[in-house]
Amino acid sequence: QQQVKQSPQSLIVQKGGISIINCAYENTAFDYFPWYQQFPGKGPALLIAIRPDVSEKKEGRFTISFNKSAKQFSLHIMDSQPGDSATYFCAANPPGAGSYQLTFGKGTKLSVIP
Amino acid sequence: DAGVIQSPRHEVTEMGQEVTLRCKPISGHNSLFWYRQTMMRGLELLIYFNNNVPIDDSGMPEDRFSAKMPNASFSTLKIQPSEPRDSAVYFCASSRGQGSEKLFFGSGTQLSVL
Repeated sequence: QQQVKQSPQSLIVQKGGISIINCAYENTAFDYFPWYQQFPGKGPALLIAIRPDVSEKKEGRFTISFNKSAKQFSLHIMDSQPGDSATYFCAANPPGAGSYQLTFGKGTKLSVIP
Repeated sequence: DAGVIQSPRHEVTEMGQEVTLRCKPISGHNSLFWYRQTMMRGLELLIYFNNNVPIDDSGMPEDRFSAKMPNASFSTLKIQPSEPRDSAVYFCASSRGQGSEKLFFGSGTQLSVL
């Protein structure tokens, strides 16, 4: 059972454009939603994260939009650059200080072309 | 900080052989995770340690898989005997305190079982 569904599987964006990746979750108890960025040959790295008590979080060119009622959240990359080309994973964590069962989406391979 | 260190980076072995993957977490981190990444199944949690104690190994696919954490700075994941379907990228990750918020991943071990 896939608890976090991510789309699209792949995305091609021109330099300077906006990249948008979407995720939907099923478990309403999830209370922490991170995005990880993975470059080829490297492990995922935490990019930005949000909790359901806010609808948006922005860090530089990266913004998470969160819609609790729709059980959806998305990553927006403004002014996309070739260096942003990577695979992006959304994830969701159950509640609790020691919760450890982070559920990942299947990933979106982003290619930013010059 | 050197980050999470995994070895080897690549491992090619023949079916039936024993494989041992190694991980050194970030100093001061109390939680350690082993994940497996495949195209079909994405990132899957295999086992979670907190303060060197295995908390949840329900993700370990079979008895052929075992993991140990003899001290706070070292963990191993062993597959014996290995099978072609074990071919995947295996990641070790660590976090400060309990749980899977703010995971720091190593660069992974690419395992190929022929």
